[in-house]
Amino acid sequence: DGGITQSPKYLFRKEGQNVTLSCEQNLNHDAMYWYRQDPGQGLRLIYYSQIVNDFQKGDIAEGYSVSREKKESFPLTVTSAQKNPTAFYLCASSISTGDEQYFGPGTRLTVT
Amino acid sequence: GIQVEQSPPDLILQEGANSTLRCNFSDSVNNLQWFHQNPWGQLINLFYIPSGTKQNGRLSATTVATERYSLLYISSSQTTDSGVYFCAVPNAGGTSYGKLTFGQGTILTVHP
Repeated sequence: DGGITQSPKYLFRKEGQNVTLSCEQNLNHDAMYWYRQDPGQGLRLIYYSQIVNDFQKGDIAEGYSVSREKKESFPLTVTSAQKNPTAFYLCASSISTGDEQYFGPGTRLTVT
Repeated sequence: GIQVEQSPPDLILQEGANSTLRCNFSDSVNNLQWFHQNPWGQLINLFYIPSGTKQNGRLSATTVATERYSLLYISSSQTTDSGVYFCAVPNAGGTSYGKLTFGQGTILTVHP
């Protein structure tokens, strides 16, 4: 089955710890994206990658880091510098930047 | 950046009723996406519609790009239609090209 997978579905961490969220796609898409959603809100872009070994900051990149070493994978690290990390994180991909985006099932991160 | 406004913010329907959701955007766009976010948080692609009208079963969408709005029609609503409906438009150029800007969503509740 083609699609986008995110793991884990739920993640709990203590304040001060870094945590890495996984995003994998087998759609052969060049572009990948990370969005954050807070309760009752739309999505906001954290980072995006147009192609392997390239990535750009989105609107709310502070406290986050990414890598894009493989076309299929775009992991997101939430660092201890992120002031309000508790949120729902969604990964997306598209054939190339600007094309229709498809979303994974999301990871709910809770930091206490 | 581009602004996206959705209306109404909340909509409550009886099963079988029809409804129209609206999305206004502040600048020219070269495409627009409608999504349904189910109770588990998954974003389901409904339409990718830069202009014109598309239909998919009981749902249809119309985008009038020159007047900067899009409409999503839901006919004969069912309880499974409940959830949040988002429209999103991409940046057409410059920084964060292809980044989707989301509206705040319309929360639809369909009662049996």
